Formats: sequence, C-alpha cells, structure tokens
Amino acid sequence: GAVVSQHPSRVICKSGTSVKIECRSLDFQATTMFWYRQFPKKSLMLMATSNEGSKATYEQGVEKDKFLINHASLTLSTLTVTSAHPEDSSFYICSAAGRGDSYNEQFFGPGTRLTVL
Amino acid sequence: AQKVTQAQTEISVVEKEDVTLDCVYETRDTTYYLFWYKQPPSGELVFLIRRNSFDEQNEISGRYSWNFQKSTSSFNFTITASQVVDSAVYFCALTGYGQNFVFGPGTRLSVLP
Repeated sequence: GAVVSQHPSRVICKSGTSVKIECRSLDFQATTMFWYRQFPKKSLMLMATSNEGSKATYEQGVEKDKFLINHASLTLSTLTVTSAHPEDSSFYICSAAGRGDSYNEQFFGPGTRLTVL
Repeated sequence: AQKVTQAQTEISVVEKEDVTLDCVYETRDTTYYLFWYKQPPSGELVFLIRRNSFDEQNEISGRYSWNFQKSTSSFNFTITASQVVDSAVYFCALTGYGQNFVFGPGTRLSVLP
C-alpha cells in the first residue's frame, strides 16, 4: 500500500515558538492531504483539507492563522503551529489521497506528538 | 450529516476470549464506505478493512471478521481468540462521495493475559 511519512514524530517546544510538521507521500502523488488532531483518549478530528497548489480549507473552529497549511507539491504538505501554547499540545496526524480517491481511500501518516511547555 | 457511533468506550477481555466491537453509522448517501482502524499505543493508525455500501458480504481475515448489515446501519468487528497484542483503540469510520472521513469515538480494547 501507499506510504505516508511524517516528520518529526515527536517534538517538544517552548510556549510562543512555531513548529512545522511535514507530511510526505513517498510512493504516490497526493492531490489531497488532510490534517487531523487527536487529543488524549479522543477521536480524530479533521482540521483542514489541502489540495496541491490551492489554499487549505479549514474546518469550523480551526484558526487558519494559528495552523498554517502549505501543500506546495504533490508529495509534501506542511502544518505550522504558530506561537504554540500548551493547549496546542496534541497528536497531529496527516493523511493523503490520490486523484479522485479522497472519499474512499486515505493513507495515514504515523502522527506527530507535539508537547508545548 | 454523517455520524458514527461506537457505544462501547472500553472493553476488557481475557486472552482467548472472543470480542465484538460495535459500530453504528448514519448517512443519507447511497454510496458510502466504512472502515475499521486499529490504533496501538504508538499512535499510528493501522488500516484493517474497507467496505463499500453495495457489498454486504461478511468478511473474515484470520482472527478478524466483520458483519455489515445495512438494515441496521451497523458494521461490527469481531476478534476471535483475542491476544494481548490486540490491545488498542479501534476506530470505525465512514465516508461518502465528496465527503470527509468521519471517525467514531473509538473503543479501547484491553486484552488481559
């Protein structure tokens, strides 16, 4: 199956700093990438959807200025948490889908655990 | 709107017992897909199965089996002869054409030795 990687797998940062998380599709072209957030013992919540070369579409309640998403190529999307605060600590998971497949097949990355001190 | 319900928040069984995880979904789409994922403590989602709405055949894969019943909007997952390595959170998910994935709240399964 298709492989999606995330980097870093774990990051600890100080409050007020910005953190960038990368999501890469390693063996296919991902026209659409998704970013999810998961709090401890909770389910995955979709944050935003990004299509290559377009602005991301954010879900209701997600601050677009706080969570900057860039999908500059068909194999890379980045999520930048700007001016991170302790409440941004969470597990962030990306997924990727090929052309036309996003509604029935997404490949998930291993996740990035962010801890903001 | 689409919705997935997993009524069992946590389940504990003793090794070798069979266990069934329930999933009930709501959708107005006629074409949709249902999924089960396993999330071990490491956090990485492990894909288990995808089923489309037109295929109601039950499926068996080793110790895993799935029962899809459109009449009751359910897609239940059974683990036979459970093992400690099966301990994880299991998510049922739903998607439809042009829709995003909707995940259920998850069921935390603990298999005790």
